[in-house]
Amino acid sequence: GESVGLHLPTLSVQEGDNSIINCAYSNSASDYFIWYKQESGKGPQFIIDIRSNMDKRQGQRVTVLLNKTVKHLSLQIAATQPGDSAVYFCAENFAGGTSYGKLTFGQGTILTVHP
Amino acid sequence: GAVVSQHPSWVICKSGTSVKIECRSLDFQATTMFWYRQFPKQSLMLMATSNEGSKATYEQGVEKDKFLINHASLTLSTLTVTSAHPEDSSFYICSARDTDRAPATNEKLFFGSGTQLSVL
Repeated sequence: GESVGLHLPTLSVQEGDNSIINCAYSNSASDYFIWYKQESGKGPQFIIDIRSNMDKRQGQRVTVLLNKTVKHLSLQIAATQPGDSAVYFCAENFAGGTSYGKLTFGQGTILTVHP
Repeated sequence: GAVVSQHPSWVICKSGTSVKIECRSLDFQATTMFWYRQFPKQSLMLMATSNEGSKATYEQGVEKDKFLINHASLTLSTLTVTSAHPEDSSFYICSARDTDRAPATNEKLFFGSGTQLSVL
C-alpha cells in the first residue's frame, strides 16, 4: 500500500545539533529512494538519493541510511542550521522499466531548528 | 541545471469553473511528467502520469474526466481541473523526468514550484 500522511510528525532541534529523520517505506520492490526538502508553498527540493544496492550514502552535511530488511530509511543532517527548517519527505520508486520518476512519498516530518 | 516551471503559482476561482495549470521543462525534453496533489500538512499523492503523445495514466481513485491532462509537446504538460469545487482546493505539483541526463548525475527528476488552487 501507499504511505500516506494525515498529520505530519515534528522534530525540534537546536542549531548546531545533528538531526535524524526517519521514514518507513512500503514497497519491498522499490529500488531507488530520495529525500526531499519542502519549504512552505514550494515544490520539493532534492537532497540526496540512494539505490537499493547501497546501505549508506553521504552528501554535504547529509547522510542517508537504508535498511532494506526492515524497509527503513533515515536522513541525518549534521550541524543543523535554521535554514534547514522545512518539511522533509522520503520517496520511493520502483525503477524497473519505464516507471522511473513515479514516486510514492512518505508521510513527511516537520523539522524546526531553533537558534 | 534543469528547471521545471509551473504556472500559475496560485489561482482563486469560483465553484463550477475550470482551471488550467501548466508544467514546462525549460532546458530539457520530458516525455514523461507526473502530477501530484498535496493537501495542507499532508504528503504528496500521485494523481497521474502524463505521457507525451499518448493518454495519461491515472492513479486509482483519480477521476480522469475531472482532471484532464494534456501532454502535447516534449516540454509541456497541462492539468485542467474541470468544474472545480471547494474540495478540489489543494496544492498541485508537477515533476518531469530528464531521461537524457548523464548517468553520473543522480538527480534526473525535477519538480515544479507548485500551484495553490483555492475554489470559492
